[in-house]
Order: sequence, then C-alpha cells, then structure tokens
Amino acid sequence: AQRVTQPEKLLSVFKGAPVELKCNYSYSGSPELFWYVQYSRQRLQLLLRHISRESIKGFTADLNKGETSFHLKKPFAQEEDSAMYYCALRNNAGNMLTFGGGTRLMVKP
Amino acid sequence: EPEVTQTPSHQVTQMGQEVILRCVPISNHLYFYWYRQILGQKVEFLVSFYNNEISEKSEIFDDQFSVERPDGSNFTLKIRSTKLEDSAMYFCASSAFMNQPQHFGDGTRLSIL
Repeated sequence: AQRVTQPEKLLSVFKGAPVELKCNYSYSGSPELFWYVQYSRQRLQLLLRHISRESIKGFTADLNKGETSFHLKKPFAQEEDSAMYYCALRNNAGNMLTFGGGTRLMVKP
Repeated sequence: EPEVTQTPSHQVTQMGQEVILRCVPISNHLYFYWYRQILGQKVEFLVSFYNNEISEKSEIFDDQFSVERPDGSNFTLKIRSTKLEDSAMYFCASSAFMNQPQHFGDGTRLSIL
C-alpha cells in the first residue's frame, strides 16, 4: 500500500527565513510526487511535480528515492506563502492521488 | 484560466436522504475524479472516471456511491442513503490525460444531520 507522511502539522517561520516542509512516502514502485497548495478560502492548486524539475514561486522539491522523501524548500519565505501544503503521490499503476495530512505554513512578518 | 466548478458550495441533508453533488470539469479534460476530506483528516481518493466508466475506485466508494456523466459537461457524485460519517468536504478534479496534473474544484461541504 502507498502512504504519504507529512510529519509537521504546523510550521511557523519569520519572513525571510528558509523553509522546509517535509514529505516522506512509502511505495514499492516508481511514484510520481506532487506538492499542492491551498491558500485561505481557495482551492487546491498544483504547486509543482517532481518530473518537471522546476521552481515555482521560489519553491523547489527534489525526489530522494534513497530516503523516500520529497521535501519542499524555499530559501526566503514570504508572508504570501502562508497556506496549507499537501504532498501527494501517484503510483504507476493508476491515477489516484494519495495525500499526506498537510502542513500549515505560517510566515510571520 | 479554465476552472473546475462545483455546486452547491454547502449541502445540508438529513441522514438517510439521497444527495447529488455536481461538478463541471474543465471542458477539454477526459479524466474526472472525486475525493473527500473529513474534517481534520487527509484528502482521500474516492473514484476516477474515464470514457463513461469507472477506471479506479477506493474501498470507501461502496454501493452507496455512484458517479455519472449525464451530459457533455456535468459529472455527478450520488450518495444513495447518507450516513452521519459521510459529512465531509467533497472535491471534484479533472485532468486532460491520465498522466497529467489533476485540477481541483473549490469543493462541496456536505453536512449530514
């Protein structure tokens, strides 16, 4: 069975500080990993996917198969980054997304 | 930018009643999904739908649930006889192709009394 774990429910940092939101997964095959973001009162939006290898809004995430992790990082947090962040996995057999529990990021001024 | 739209935003229903949640996926998308999130819990996959049939479903999606694409634009989730534990946020999503990102709607909050 596949599983996604986000160990922190809440992460609070000051503006300008580095941010790392942790995501670990368990899946025996080759997964595809995503980060979704949900700003206050808005819908879930795709932030980035590991196969794109791109940086969105200054965020990056690298798939580490050895550690089965896909941590989301940003060197300098901004107040507008405050939101719920969900890590999700899609296996190579189907199309369903398995979500982690989410981490609420609060960026204080 | 095109969006997935869901109606209603909030549905209140008596236990045992049938409820239909509606979604309009992005117009050129071929794959459709329902997820739910019980308050304080994870977003959970319910079902995926392609070419007018279910392509994948979870254990949650039992005989009480059904999905339908009644016309060229709507995608519905029906719960036949609602239970208290069906209270949750229900999200519809769509993707252009199977391996493309899923785009989510705003969700419908279902409250069972």
